[in-house]
Amino acid sequence: EADIYQTPRYLVIGTGKKITLECSQTMGHDKMYWYQQDPGMELHLIHYSYGVNSTEKGDLSSESTVSRIRTEHFPLTLESARPSHTSQYLCASRDSGRSDTQYFGPGTRLTVL
Amino acid sequence: GNSVTQMEGPVTLSEEAFLTINCTYTATGYPSLFWYVQYPGEGLQLLLKATKADDKGSNKGFEATYRKETTSFHLEKGSVQVSDSAVYFCALDSGAGSYQLTFGKGTKLSVIP
Repeated sequence: EADIYQTPRYLVIGTGKKITLECSQTMGHDKMYWYQQDPGMELHLIHYSYGVNSTEKGDLSSESTVSRIRTEHFPLTLESARPSHTSQYLCASRDSGRSDTQYFGPGTRLTVL
Repeated sequence: GNSVTQMEGPVTLSEEAFLTINCTYTATGYPSLFWYVQYPGEGLQLLLKATKADDKGSNKGFEATYRKETTSFHLEKGSVQVSDSAVYFCALDSGAGSYQLTFGKGTKLSVIP
């Protein structure tokens, strides 16, 4: 059973607001990821971290930022939300083995008006 | 680079029908292969995986065999149920220290009574 949590599950917010999407895992995984999922269901990697104080941008350019101060916590922040940020955001984590499973959180559905 | 191609959906089947979702891949080396499933309103969860050629992954009546000669990992189920309605993602982990999954675009399956 995966122990990875995301809050909030749903968020509706106005343009220009600062938001933080929370992601936490209790499995002690060193590797964590943020994906953006478009309406067509395709997944796009936007950020990843391979350990504390390590963050990298993914394949899809994003105006969001992330931090990794603690192993279990990987929040994503948008300084000024825009309607183009409306999407489903999925957090994931995995251990370091070659074929280890990547576990996903339930996602946050963000709507920016 | 690595890539995963899976059949486009949506796929609509009647209950108890046979399911095949095709997946082919391009990768260097010897990747591990995965099928993930995403039920409505949820994150992705691992359905099955195979880590080397000729391995068969199976779970909940679903099966997929790692075919290196055809670079394929097709998902099959002999008799689908309404509860199998979901989006299915094929993915690969190329290993070699990348720790990132390459996903297909997803195939939406709807099973009607």
